[in-house]
Amino acid sequence: DTAVSQTPKYLVTQMGNDKSIKCEQNLGHDTMYWYKQDSKKFLKIMFSYNNKELIINETVPNRFSPKSPDKAHLNLHINSLELGDSAVYFCASSQRTGVDEQYFGPGTRLTVT
Amino acid sequence: GENVEQHPSTLSVQEGDSAVIKCTYSDSASNYFPWYKQELGKGPQLIIDIRSNVGEKKDQRIAVTLNKTAKHFSLHITETQPEDSAVYFCAASMPGNQFYFGTGTSLTVIP
Repeated sequence: DTAVSQTPKYLVTQMGNDKSIKCEQNLGHDTMYWYKQDSKKFLKIMFSYNNKELIINETVPNRFSPKSPDKAHLNLHINSLELGDSAVYFCASSQRTGVDEQYFGPGTRLTVT
Repeated sequence: GENVEQHPSTLSVQEGDSAVIKCTYSDSASNYFPWYKQELGKGPQLIIDIRSNVGEKKDQRIAVTLNKTAKHFSLHITETQPEDSAVYFCAASMPGNQFYFGTGTSLTVIP
């Protein structure tokens, strides 16, 4: 059973389009995250939700909008995609923020052409 | 905010040798220090972690040491094997806060 799953695994789209990435965790965790990993492998936190409430919102363009319909899901919607958005996006979850292991999903490789 | 530095950025060792990766952090309030391994095409996976009330922790061939006074912690892998080849990330955090990740170390174990 997959603990943290993301769909799609690959996403190729053109500049200006709008796309969504879905994330689900079946671990019963209270906190979920979105990370962006660029070509240099640096992991950058984008958002964190705890019990469906936004608790961390790093400096991310407002073209990125997270949505958490329930504790088990955290989706990422991106408007007006730009070339610089090309990266691997990881969803993660943990029971508590800052003190527990984060479980990462397999990642979504987004390519904007 | 917290700042985590990680060295080296790349590391090549012969199979069977040891590998050491070092991280420093800036915020003395940080008290949780996980290490993640990321294999090609996969998400990061926790391999070992340490909390600030402990100086050293071991799990088979992997060990982590923490020096709170100097604000640095290290990952030690002994008897390296080709399957240890991956990117390794350190991180520092505190309750209620995000993980601050290091910039990663690409480890290559040469058979």
